[in-house]
Amino acid sequence: SQQGEEDPQALSIQEGENATMNCSYKTSINNLQWYRQNSGRGLVHLILIRSNEREKHSGRLRVTLDTSKKSSSLLITASRAADTASYFCATDADGSYIPTFGRGTSLIVHP
Amino acid sequence: DTAVSQTPKYLVTQMGNDKSIKCEQNLGHDTMYWYKQDSKKFLKIMFSYNNKELIINETVPNRFSPKSPDKAHLNLHINSLELGDSAVYFCASTTQGNNEQFFGPGTRLTVL
Repeated sequence: SQQGEEDPQALSIQEGENATMNCSYKTSINNLQWYRQNSGRGLVHLILIRSNEREKHSGRLRVTLDTSKKSSSLLITASRAADTASYFCATDADGSYIPTFGRGTSLIVHP
Repeated sequence: DTAVSQTPKYLVTQMGNDKSIKCEQNLGHDTMYWYKQDSKKFLKIMFSYNNKELIINETVPNRFSPKSPDKAHLNLHINSLELGDSAVYFCASTTQGNNEQFFGPGTRLTVL
């Protein structure tokens, strides 16, 4: 079944640095979403990018989508310790509204 | 004013027992989901309900039975609990046709 795979599995950076996470998927999609999960909490929606879009911004977040490579990236600029969390991509196959999540990238931002 | 709430937050029980997890959303959404997140953080959809009707059942053992008394509630009943059922269970909701999901805080189930 359709599944997003995040890369890397874990990322450790210093405050102020940029963090880049990648997501690859297998079949054509309607859209791709990024979610954030703080430890012990539920997922929180960050941003959605549609299959006909190539780039989207929201605050310090920048998401790109390359449908020819079936991949997306999430860039967090000027990271903060509060950005420490797991980040998941979710994709839904054409004609479906069922998102399929990957295993996430665990980001640690050291103060 | 929690948007999606789940009870209980923690549930520790013995193998073979039957237990329920409750979920409520006050967002006016018409679609609700149950997800299971394992120890490696893999999040897998279990069920989806739209307007109280089951629309997705993703190869979940029939020991798991969701029940939706109304659009705002989707409860999960689990019979004959097994060790492998230990996980964090998340409820989520959305409006049909909208992809953004709102998640509850999760219920950590531990089966001993």
